Amino acid sequence: QSALTQPASVSGSPGQSITISCTGTSSDVGGYNYVSWYQQYPGKAPKLLIYDVTKWPSGASNRFSGSKSGNTASLTISGLQAEDEADYYCCSFVRSGSLIFGGGTKLTVL
Amino acid sequence: QVQLQESGPGLVKPSETLSLTCAVSGYSMSSGYYWGWIRQPPGKGLEWIGSISHSGSTYYKPSLKSRVTIFVDTSKNQFSLQLNSMTAADTAVYYCVRDGGYGTHDSWGQGTLVTVSS
Repeated sequence: QSALTQPASVSGSPGQSITISCTGTSSDVGGYNYVSWYQQYPGKAPKLLIYDVTKWPSGASNRFSGSKSGNTASLTISGLQAEDEADYYCCSFVRSGSLIFGGGTKLTVL
Repeated sequence: QVQLQESGPGLVKPSETLSLTCAVSGYSMSSGYYWGWIRQPPGKGLEWIGSISHSGSTYYKPSLKSRVTIFVDTSKNQFSLQLNSMTAADTAVYYCVRDGGYGTHDSWGQGTLVTVSS
């Protein structure tokens, strides 16, 4: 059970939009609408941004949006801000009943 | 608002068993949700370890299943992780989490660093 595939790093300028991909298989990302996304600052616990592919938890910013096509889920951040510089992780339900995370993506705001 | 707090040893010897407890406040665990553990080796990504439902059903990462036990003490409103046969590869920050189902980890503890060393 290998980790979901995310780009190691992405970057963008303030005000731009960026997209982080999360690629799995038909046994996880492609098989279920149960992908979640997390934001993590250094030394801090992760924070839930998106769940069930497209849903926002209470209090989450709608500048973050999720989508899925086939075996790849995506997180889009619009109106990029300096405070968005952080690590981002996807997580998917797996056919076996377990969960699997992506390797993480470091976002740099230029 | 629910709060989670991990407790346990910061240092474990190789081959020993790690025992961590997560105290839950602001929510009665017997009311619902899943309760789980996630770890993060220094400088690396997140790894799901397992979870338990409020009714006691357990789910574990397949590669860790032989070494992991998660159990709940509803009388104390806490749940615990036991991981045996610890090695240096198990050195990580361990987080306890509340899961709304299918990986919706909406609440996290602050995390506790566990180092495996003799």
